[in-house]
Amino acid sequence: DTGVSQNPRHKITKRGQNVTFRCDPISEHNRLYWYRQTLGQGPEFLTYFQNEAQLEKSRLLSDRFSAERPKGSFSTLEIQRTEQGDSAMYLCASTPSGGPYEQYFGPGTRLTVT
Amino acid sequence: AQRVTQPEKLLSVFKGAPVELKCNYSYSGSPELFWYVQYSRQRLQLLLRHISRESIKGFTADLNKGETSFHLKKPFAQEEDSAMYYCALTDNAGNMLTFGGGTRLMVKP
Repeated sequence: DTGVSQNPRHKITKRGQNVTFRCDPISEHNRLYWYRQTLGQGPEFLTYFQNEAQLEKSRLLSDRFSAERPKGSFSTLEIQRTEQGDSAMYLCASTPSGGPYEQYFGPGTRLTVT
Repeated sequence: AQRVTQPEKLLSVFKGAPVELKCNYSYSGSPELFWYVQYSRQRLQLLLRHISRESIKGFTADLNKGETSFHLKKPFAQEEDSAMYYCALTDNAGNMLTFGGGTRLMVKP
């Protein structure tokens, strides 16, 4: 297991198109988190899963965003009808539940909406 | 609402000089505080956390609840310390991290 992986690493799309990102967490990590990072800012929390259950969503996660984690393994983040403001780095992290709460991050998916 | 503030976007020092990266937070309960680091072309990774009270790569950070601060310090900076540093907090349930805006540390030779 080489850590958290994310695909694709880069995505360029036209405004109005739908995009989907995938995150594969470290094996046996129950918790999976999605963050968004824009230029010059720290990562901002979007949502997280405990196994297959989505337990919390940020107000940043508009109706155009949806995340899933079927079977509690990999997760997908879909953005519908993309807007230029969606351009950002999307980070995934995983951690075992119950602590010690260190989150292991993936390399991120950079989305550019033209 | 919880918030993390890193007042300096950029900190530039010479090799061998002391370094202090500032972090202030607001949180109603007892948070867990972390410093994450991102070296050039690498992913975000944990540097240290306050509950461990350990020194990593010569860095230390002390939680000051009175001043709600968690400043990162190193007595003698090295060129390989050049990176983006993010202060973050989470609640005791280990849920999402709230990050500060980050400080870019540049250590000049």
